[in-house]
Amino acid sequence: DTAVSQTPKYLVTQMGNDKSIKCEQNLGHDTMYWYKQDSKKFLKIMFSYNNKELIINETVPNRFSPKSPDKAHLNLHINSLELGDSAVYFCASSQGGRPFTDTQYFGPGTRLTVL
Amino acid sequence: DAKTTQPTSMDCAEGRAANLPCNHSTISGNEYVYWYRQIHSQGPQYIIHGLKNNETNEMASLIITEDRKSSTLILPHATLRDTAVYYCIVKAAGNKLTFGGGTRVLVKP
Repeated sequence: DTAVSQTPKYLVTQMGNDKSIKCEQNLGHDTMYWYKQDSKKFLKIMFSYNNKELIINETVPNRFSPKSPDKAHLNLHINSLELGDSAVYFCASSQGGRPFTDTQYFGPGTRLTVL
Repeated sequence: DAKTTQPTSMDCAEGRAANLPCNHSTISGNEYVYWYRQIHSQGPQYIIHGLKNNETNEMASLIITEDRKSSTLILPHATLRDTAVYYCIVKAAGNKLTFGGGTRVLVKP
C-alpha cells in the first residue's frame, strides 16, 4: 500500500527522446509536486499542482510539462531530453490546498539517465 | 527561510540514542523546524516537525531550545536501517521545502 508511487523506477534513454514519468498518491492529498535531485544530491522543487491546477513552476524549461489527469496523479513529460536532465526525480504530495503548507510525503524516485 | 547548519557526518552505535544537532540562529517566529531523512536510493522521508514545543512521535523526538536557535533530533534506539542523510529544514508555512547538505549518519553494529 505505497502512499506515493512512481513509475518507472529507472529510465535510460538517448538524447533527444521524449519520456514520461508517472506518479500516483493514494493519500487523498490535494497538492502534488515534482522535485529534481541532481548529482550533488540537492533536491529542488520543479512544480506544484493543486487539484489538477498548476500552482508553482520554478523556472523549469518548457521541455518539461507536468500533467494532472486527476488530483491523485501527476505525470511528468519531458521532451527532447538532454544530458543535463539526468537526475533522480521525486514526486511528493501534501494534504492541503496551499503548496508547502502541510507535510510533504515523497515517492521512491525515478532515476533518469540520458545517454 | 532561515538557514540551517548541521554537521556533515556522524557515527552512532546500534542500539544507542543518536542525537543530531541543527543550528538555525536566524529562525523567525513563524518558521517551523522540519526533519526529513533520505535513505540511500529512496525518497525523502518525513520524520517530525515542531514550532516551539518539543515533539515526539513513533520515529523520533525533537528538542527545540527555548530561544529556538537550535534543535536536536533524537533517534532513541538507532538501528542499522537508520543509516541515512538527515535534513534539518526551517521554513514558514507556505514556503517551499529546501534541502541543504544534511548530516550523513552511519549506524554501526
